[in-house]
Amino acid sequence: QSALTQPASVSGSPGQSITISCTGTSSDVGSSNRVSWYQQHPGKAPKLMIYEDTKRPSGVSNRFSGSKSGNTASLTISGLQAEDEADYFCCSFAGTFTWVFGGGTKLTVL
Amino acid sequence: EVQLVESGGGLVQPGGSLRLSCAASGFTFSSSHMNWVRQAPGKGLEWVSYIGSSNNIYYADSVKGRFTISRDNAKNSLYLQMNSLRAEDTAVYYCAGDRDWAFNIWGQGTVLTVSS
Repeated sequence: QSALTQPASVSGSPGQSITISCTGTSSDVGSSNRVSWYQQHPGKAPKLMIYEDTKRPSGVSNRFSGSKSGNTASLTISGLQAEDEADYFCCSFAGTFTWVFGGGTKLTVL
Repeated sequence: EVQLVESGGGLVQPGGSLRLSCAASGFTFSSSHMNWVRQAPGKGLEWVSYIGSSNNIYYADSVKGRFTISRDNAKNSLYLQMNSLRAEDTAVYYCAGDRDWAFNIWGQGTVLTVSS
């Protein structure tokens, strides 16, 4: 499977909102409600932030939200904070117990 | 505390073999679906392999025929046997539990370097 397409970088000032897009195909992102998003700080393991397109795990701030339209999923972070600076990866279930990740987006909080 | 701890990484020559292990604690391992996910230096995440609670197994095309995933529920452990290693297999290898089609539990990772 081909990797999902994410912008290499996004930036925003504290308090602002940013959106990271994740584009796939009708075989992965567009096929079912199975997109997830991960936050990864340098040298750390990824952390699940959004699952099933729009759901937040317990303990994840409600400043993080997910959405999807067709073959493109999006992660929105509102009220940006310094600790949000990290790499973000989208991931989609691609059928028959296989998954495909996006290339990752580096978020810089200015 | 829910925890996954990987071990077994190291430096291996091209064509060599290595087995990674992942010890689970704090949750019911035997009923959990488990995966290996890797991250090459400075690169993104790549799903490698899945083993379900009923032992159904799947692999990414990039490792099919070379890697073997297995589990020992009595030891709460997940394994990845890696053969015919290539330079492009160099990465941090994470074990990860999945639920609701997402990877909700991650280990800290173990580093594999394939180089002569």
